[in-house]
Amino acid sequence: QQQVKQSPQSLIVQKGGISIINCAYENTAFDYFPWYQQFPGKGPALLIAIRPDVSEKKEGRFTISFNKSAKQFSLHIMDSQPGDSATYFCAARDQGGSEKLVFGKGTKLTVNP
Amino acid sequence: NAGVTQTPKFRVLKTGQSMTLLCAQDMNHEYMYWYRQDPGMGLRLIHYSVGEGTTAKGEVPDGYNVSRLKKQNFLLGLESAAPSQTSVYFCASSYTGTEDFEQYFGPGTRLTVT
Repeated sequence: QQQVKQSPQSLIVQKGGISIINCAYENTAFDYFPWYQQFPGKGPALLIAIRPDVSEKKEGRFTISFNKSAKQFSLHIMDSQPGDSATYFCAARDQGGSEKLVFGKGTKLTVNP
Repeated sequence: NAGVTQTPKFRVLKTGQSMTLLCAQDMNHEYMYWYRQDPGMGLRLIHYSVGEGTTAKGEVPDGYNVSRLKKQNFLLGLESAAPSQTSVYFCASSYTGTEDFEQYFGPGTRLTVT
């Protein structure tokens, strides 16, 4: 059972465009929703995160939009750059106290120059 | 600070062989995790530890064992490797009790089982 569903699997955007990646979840016990960025040959690294009591969080060109009633959240990358080309994972933390994250399957983003 | 380090970076095993992957962190984190990453499957949790001397099963624990004898180290063992265990393995660590929760990942170990 996939607890966090992520789409699309791959995304190609032109430089300067907006990249949008979507995630949906079912478990209402999730209390924290991070996005991780992974470059080829590297481990994932935290990009930005949001809590369910906030509808939007922005850090530079990266924005998370969160819809608690729909149990969906999305990552928007404004003015996408070739350096943003990477795999992006959404995740959710179960508030059970073990600090475990459940990850989506990932989106490979390619930003063409 | 080195952060999270993993040893080895690459390994090729024959079916039935055993090996141990070592993860070390120098951030004094309580929690440590082992994931495997396969194409199109995302990151799947194998085992995790909430403190020295404790371990617990994750989503895909079969065929793996772990030990956390020291707070800074988390070992992942494969007793009898199978081709299905060909994957990239990531270790991660995190602190607890803070608002800004983050898992810090190592650089990964690429394992091929033939």
